[in-house]
Amino acid sequence: QKEVEQNSGPLSVPEGAIASLNCTYSDRVSQSFFWYRQYSGKSPELIMSIYSNGDKEDGRFTAQLNKASQYVSLLIRDSQPSDSATYLCAVKGPGNTPLVFGKGTRLSVIA
Amino acid sequence: KAGVTQTPRYLIKTRGQQVTLSCSPISGHRSVSWYQQTPGQGLQFLFEYFSETQRNKGNFPGRFSGRQFSNSRSEMNVSTLELGDSALYLCASSPDIQETQYFGPGTRLLVL
Repeated sequence: QKEVEQNSGPLSVPEGAIASLNCTYSDRVSQSFFWYRQYSGKSPELIMSIYSNGDKEDGRFTAQLNKASQYVSLLIRDSQPSDSATYLCAVKGPGNTPLVFGKGTRLSVIA
Repeated sequence: KAGVTQTPRYLIKTRGQQVTLSCSPISGHRSVSWYQQTPGQGLQFLFEYFSETQRNKGNFPGRFSGRQFSNSRSEMNVSTLELGDSALYLCASSPDIQETQYFGPGTRLLVL
C-alpha cells in the first residue's frame, strides 16, 4: 500500500513568516510530486509540481525534493492570511499508477 | 481555456438509490480521474480513464463504476447508496495519464 504522510496540523504561523510543510512517501520509485492547496469548501488547486531532487521556486513558494530520504516539502515565504488553507501533497509512481494523496496539513496564518 | 466542470454541484439522495455524476474535462485533456473526499479519509482514488478505457481502479466496491465517452467527458455511477457514500466527489483532468491533474469544483453528495 503506497502511502503519503503529512502532519495534519494545524500549523500556525504569524503573517510574514515562513511556513514549512512536510510530506514523506513510502514508494521509493515515485517520480512525480505535487502540492495542492484546498480552501475550505473548495476543490484542490495546483500550486507546484517537482520531479527532480533539489529546489524549485515559484514566487513565494519553494518545493524541495529529496528522493533518497523520500521527503518533499513546501516553503511559503512572507505568509499571508490568504494562505490559510489545507495543503495536500500528492505523489505519482512510474508508468500507469494513480496519484496518491496525503491527508493534508492545515495551515493557519495569523494576522 | 475553461476549467473542469462537474454537474450537479450538490445532490441529496436516500439510501438505496443510485446516482450519476458528470465531468467535462479541460478542452484537449484526454485523461479523467475521480476521487472521493471525506473528512476522515481524505482524498481517495476511485478510477482513472484515458481514451475511453479504465486505466486504474481504486479500492472501492463494485457499486462504484464509471465510464468515459469519445469526447473525453466522464460519468461515474454509484448504485445502492449507503450513508457512508456521503462525500465530495472530485473529478480531475490531465492531457495524458502521466501529466499534472487539474480539479473540477466537485459534486457534494449527501445520502440520507
